[in-house]
Amino acid sequence: EVQLVESGGGLVQPGGSLRLSCAASGLTFATHWMSWVRQAPGKGLEWVANIHPEGTETYYVDSVKGRFTISRDNAKQSLYLQMHSLRDEDTAVYYCATENILQHQGNWFDPWGQGTLVTVSS
Amino acid sequence: DIQMTQSPSSLSASVGDTVTITCRASQTISSFLNWYQQKPGKAPKLLIYAASSLQSGVPPRFSGSGSGPHFTLTITSLQPEDFATYSCQQTYIAPFTFGQGTKLEIK
Repeated sequence: EVQLVESGGGLVQPGGSLRLSCAASGLTFATHWMSWVRQAPGKGLEWVANIHPEGTETYYVDSVKGRFTISRDNAKQSLYLQMHSLRDEDTAVYYCATENILQHQGNWFDPWGQGTLVTVSS
Repeated sequence: DIQMTQSPSSLSASVGDTVTITCRASQTISSFLNWYQQKPGKAPKLLIYAASSLQSGVPPRFSGSGSGPHFTLTITSLQPEDFATYSCQQTYIAPFTFGQGTKLEIK
């Protein structure tokens, strides 16, 4: 069974830092693009960042560029999101998700982890 | 960035009904459109990928159609477990934007 388990969320003050982790099992982790998606309380889903299977390419939504860094350790089957200079508006449940890709059909996200809550508040 | 607009934002229906949710992209996205279902406190679940391909294990009462900027998700013969929030997502170009969600409630 494919499983993604996030950890590392919690309460942090504005301007602080936090590192999220996502442990994968049951899939060939090193062959998949991986993404982080977040959801603020009562709001819709927002894609945050993704990373190439070998970690050689990364992409971010503009609102986190320069503050967040996505990375991975294929030997540990783990995905990370290092977050700095956190703002109130970064408060959300953060999900990791596996990207599946077919040429000319795009990417789709499946499966997802259960999410980890990040609360930015003083 | 590509904007994704869903309609309606909320919808009331009864068990057994057929409902349609629409998603419109701000530019053409070919068929790079996915649909997810989300229940309170749970992670999103993939229903449809590439506009019309049914994800393995998803009941055939769910179907997707469309291309370019206009897409629809149709659920026939609504079941009690279908009452949830549905979101579309484009993966034509990063950032991979989502629609704002459609909350399907029991009438």
